[in-house]
Formats: sequence, C-alpha cells, structure tokens
Amino acid sequence: GQQVMQIPQYQHVQEGEDFTTYCNSSTTLSNIQWYKQRPGGHPVFLIQLVKSGEVKKQKRLTFQFGEAKKNSSLHITATQTTDVGTYFCAGQDNAGNNRKLIWGLGTSLAVNP
Amino acid sequence: NAGVTQTPKFQVLKTGQSMTLQCAQDMNHEYMSWYRQDPGMGLRLIHYSVGAGITDQGEVPNGYNVSRSTTEDFPLRLLSAAPSQTSVYFCASSYYVNTEAFFGQGTRLTVV
Repeated sequence: GQQVMQIPQYQHVQEGEDFTTYCNSSTTLSNIQWYKQRPGGHPVFLIQLVKSGEVKKQKRLTFQFGEAKKNSSLHITATQTTDVGTYFCAGQDNAGNNRKLIWGLGTSLAVNP
Repeated sequence: NAGVTQTPKFQVLKTGQSMTLQCAQDMNHEYMSWYRQDPGMGLRLIHYSVGAGITDQGEVPNGYNVSRSTTEDFPLRLLSAAPSQTSVYFCASSYYVNTEAFFGQGTRLTVV
C-alpha cells in the first residue's frame, strides 16, 4: 500500500546544531505538506510543496521536494529550544485514492540548551 | 474566529460505553477528517468527509462511525468503547484534501 517513511524517528541536538528530517514515499506524490506538533499540542501547518524540485524557506527552515516528487526534506539551521516538537510530513497520492493524505510517523526533535 | 472546536478535551469511559466526540469548524471548509494519535504511531486516519453528506473510511475505521449532515459539523461516534481505543483524537478541516489543514485541540480519551 501507499506509505510515507519518515526518518529519523528521534533526533537529539545541541542548541545551535542543524537538524534534518526526511520523507520518502513509495509512490509519486502530487504535493506534500509539513506540520509541527509541540509537546501536548496539536499539529500546525508549516508549508506545502507542489512542484518537482521545489525549495521553500521560512527563516531558519528549508523545505525541499524531490525531482521525482517521491521524497521531501525539512532542514532547520541553528536549532533553538523553540524548535522542539514532532515534525510530520503528509503527502497526497498522485494516483489511486487521492482524497486522503498519507502521513509519515513523524520525527521528534529534542534540543539541549 | 474559532477555527476547529473539539469537545470534550478529556474523557474517561468504561468498556462498552458509547460516546460522541464533537467537531465543528467555522471556516466553511469542505474537507474534514478524524485522526487518532498513539505513541510511535503518528496520525492515523479514522474517517474523512469531502463535503456534507459524504463520508469515507480511513485506515482504522473499525469501532467508529461518522456523519456529515452539515458543512460545519463532523461528529465521531464510538459505538462500544474498548481499551484499545484509548488515544488522543484530533479533528481537522481544510478547504480540500490538499490545502492547509487546521486541527482541533484534541480529545484525550481513556477507556478503562
């Protein structure tokens, strides 16, 4: 079935270090979204990528969508304690049942001050 | 502008009891969905709706029912609660499946 694998599952960094999480889909995606969930909170939308090879930046966050539209990454430069949380990717399948999102299991980021 | 309102925030049920988790949105979104979140399992889709009168099953629908009689409301019914349904439940809404989703605050459900 359709799957989105997200790695790593956990990441522990020192404040100021960089962080990257990766999503890999078994099928081509029409678009991919990224969400952040703070501990005890609900997922909050960060960004959506639609075009092959697309790169978008939000301050210290850089999002990429692969050329084949099967993988995506989120990179955080110089992490801060406010970056703590779980980051999820969610893709819409380009074929089959495209009326639901396929979610990765998330990457939990811990930042040591 | 309330966004997505989920009630209750916490609930304890006894095995076999039934209950309804309420979800309402005031953004005129067509697409609504219910997820459950368990440690290490991410967000798993229970049911979703692409518009009033239309619902469909997600990946873990057993034990849950939904209805969408209006655009605003998308209640989730637990028919006969089981301990395996202990989880955090999130309702989400968006204009379409591929647009920004807004999540409710979540319902933490414990079945004893």
